[in-house]
Amino acid sequence: DTGVSQDPRHKITKRGQNVTFRCDPISEHNRLYWYRQTLGQGPEFLTYFQNEAQLEKSRLLSDRFSAERPKGSFSTLEIQRTEQGDSAMYLCASSLVQGAAGELFFGEGSRLTVL
Amino acid sequence: DAKTTQPNSMESNEEEPVHLPCNHSTISGTDYIHWYRQLPSQGPEYVIHGLTSNVNNRMASLAIAEDRKSSTLILHRATLRDAAVYYCILLYSNNAGNMLTFGGGTRLMVKP
Repeated sequence: DTGVSQDPRHKITKRGQNVTFRCDPISEHNRLYWYRQTLGQGPEFLTYFQNEAQLEKSRLLSDRFSAERPKGSFSTLEIQRTEQGDSAMYLCASSLVQGAAGELFFGEGSRLTVL
Repeated sequence: DAKTTQPNSMESNEEEPVHLPCNHSTISGTDYIHWYRQLPSQGPEYVIHGLTSNVNNRMASLAIAEDRKSSTLILHRATLRDAAVYYCILLYSNNAGNMLTFGGGTRLMVKP
């Protein structure tokens, strides 16, 4: 399968612990996005990369969150000192550089539960 | 960002057509209209997009009003696998990052 893959699919952690999620985009897609989705809501944009450059960050991305895409391929999203409010589905998407007609391809997400 | 308004939920019978409405009265001239859907426990999935003219693809059709202030996603024959949340999203043509702003969407329930 050559779609967007995310790992792990599920993560349960205790409050205060650090967690890291990985996203492998579709090969040759130079844009990569992170979204967060809480129960019953639509996904909320967190940040995006074009190649290895992080070009935009939402104000939702507090200083406990950091995202990297070191070689312009896979990306990681780290949450430090997790809080119960961080419990959500973290979605990754990728796309080719295009205008507003371009489509995003999403992974199946990484579900985080903070106890 | 221009806002979209969708009904919270809709019901359909299997094998019948479904028309999912979206209002976007503040749309600007170069905004694209995108539709994504999200099946249970999955990430969103692209369905279709358009600018001014009606569009068809293998998944659905998109009918865009002449004044572009509303659009309708048409599923020609609903199946149980079409039960999902459908999101209508406007994408600025100068949105260099193609960031999608999701609203609440319409939850489509399909009855057998």
